[in-house]
Amino acid sequence: ELKVEQNPLFLSMQEGKNYTIYCNYSTTSDRLYWYRQDPGKSLESLFVLLSNGAVKQEGRLMASLDTKARLSTLHITAAVHDLSATYFCADLRVGTYKYIFGTGTRLKVLA
Amino acid sequence: DTEVTQTPKHLVMGMTNKKSLKCEQHMGHRAMYWYKQKAKKPPELMFVYSYEKLSINESVPSRFSPECPNSSLLNLHLHALQPEDSALYLCASSQDWLQQGSYTGELFFGEGSRLTVL
Repeated sequence: ELKVEQNPLFLSMQEGKNYTIYCNYSTTSDRLYWYRQDPGKSLESLFVLLSNGAVKQEGRLMASLDTKARLSTLHITAAVHDLSATYFCADLRVGTYKYIFGTGTRLKVLA
Repeated sequence: DTEVTQTPKHLVMGMTNKKSLKCEQHMGHRAMYWYKQKAKKPPELMFVYSYEKLSINESVPSRFSPECPNSSLLNLHLHALQPEDSALYLCASSQDWLQQGSYTGELFFGEGSRLTVL
């Protein structure tokens, strides 16, 4: 069964701290996507990782992809309250339209 | 223009009603998707259209009927829904892997239509 596992499922952290969200996937895909969802809102694309070793950074968030380990990470640096949201990773095998979404990580940054 | 526009944003309907959700994009994407999302869960794929043809139907009940009138529009017709169908319905679009040019597969989501079935 194709699946994408994220951990942790819930993360409560203090402002200013660093943390990493992990995304393990089981396909032979070489591309991985990260999305953010605020409560009651839609999904917003954060990062598109298209090859092994890809690293993308935007503000306090950095995403990386290791296709050999089938692992992507989303690293949060010096968290701020505005980063509170649910983060999903999604895996896609090229040539299909079936994105496999992870369970999501609900992040709460405490002031 | 990197927007996917969905209407209505909120919809309340009875179990005997017929209604439609609409989605529009002008990014030149040839793949369009309907997802259903329940609270605290990831989106679940319902339908995919590729070049206006239905490519994937994830065994969705027939009370949900998709339609892709042209390359920019996607509809979801709703009829005789059940209360358990209440959810956030998300439209998304992406380049199609069949399209020429650099393909990323990035999904662009609309704001969603929150459906309540009474």
